[in-house]
Amino acid sequence: KAGVTQTPRYLIKTRGQQVTLSCSPISGHRSVSWYQQTPGQGLQFLFEYFSETQRNKGNFPGRFSGRQFSNSRSEMNVSTLELGDSALYLCASSLGRGQYFGPGTRLTVT
Amino acid sequence: TQLLEQSPQFLSIQEGENLTVYCNSSSVFSSLQWYRQEPGEGPVLLVTVVTGGEVKKLKRLTFQFGDARKDSSLHITAAQPGDTGLYLCAGGGGSQNSGGSNYKLTFGKGTLLTVNP
Repeated sequence: KAGVTQTPRYLIKTRGQQVTLSCSPISGHRSVSWYQQTPGQGLQFLFEYFSETQRNKGNFPGRFSGRQFSNSRSEMNVSTLELGDSALYLCASSLGRGQYFGPGTRLTVT
Repeated sequence: TQLLEQSPQFLSIQEGENLTVYCNSSSVFSSLQWYRQEPGEGPVLLVTVVTGGEVKKLKRLTFQFGDARKDSSLHITAAQPGDTGLYLCAGGGGSQNSGGSNYKLTFGKGTLLTVNP
């Protein structure tokens, strides 16, 4: 089975722009979660989608949003980028306990 | 807010040595997972423990979940350079008023392990 894939792997944006990241889960996995990883804060939960519905949400501002499609693929969007949004964004899919992560998208905001 | 504290933050040892890393919380978790992450990659799931007092072994790695389901440890026997990486613990579920869910993991900040040949 193919693992979780994320595109793009690397992205450079400037402050004020918006960005969309994509995630394809493992086939058969309906839950997709997104995390932000930074050196200072570690891995922080953004949100989780299941069957196209946001089921759990972390403590991030409304500039961070996501959606899930009927084929379980998910996208997350960050609007009005700030320097502090520079991070590794990780997507994970799951069937239950235990999450399977993609390689991440490295976002740099300049 | 659920928090997981990992210790030590950094660990540098020689090949063949044994080591233990710890993951502690004041909150109860319904499950606890351990991951290893290498530079430029996403975390890889090593194990999930769900029962208080549970011990799981994965080759040279031994994982233990505390009786009260608030803490966990990872012991590596005869460490090898290939064990080098960032070890992360993550708690799933929790008390109802903490908003916990097995799909909304709370991660510790990790233990960065370096095994020197």
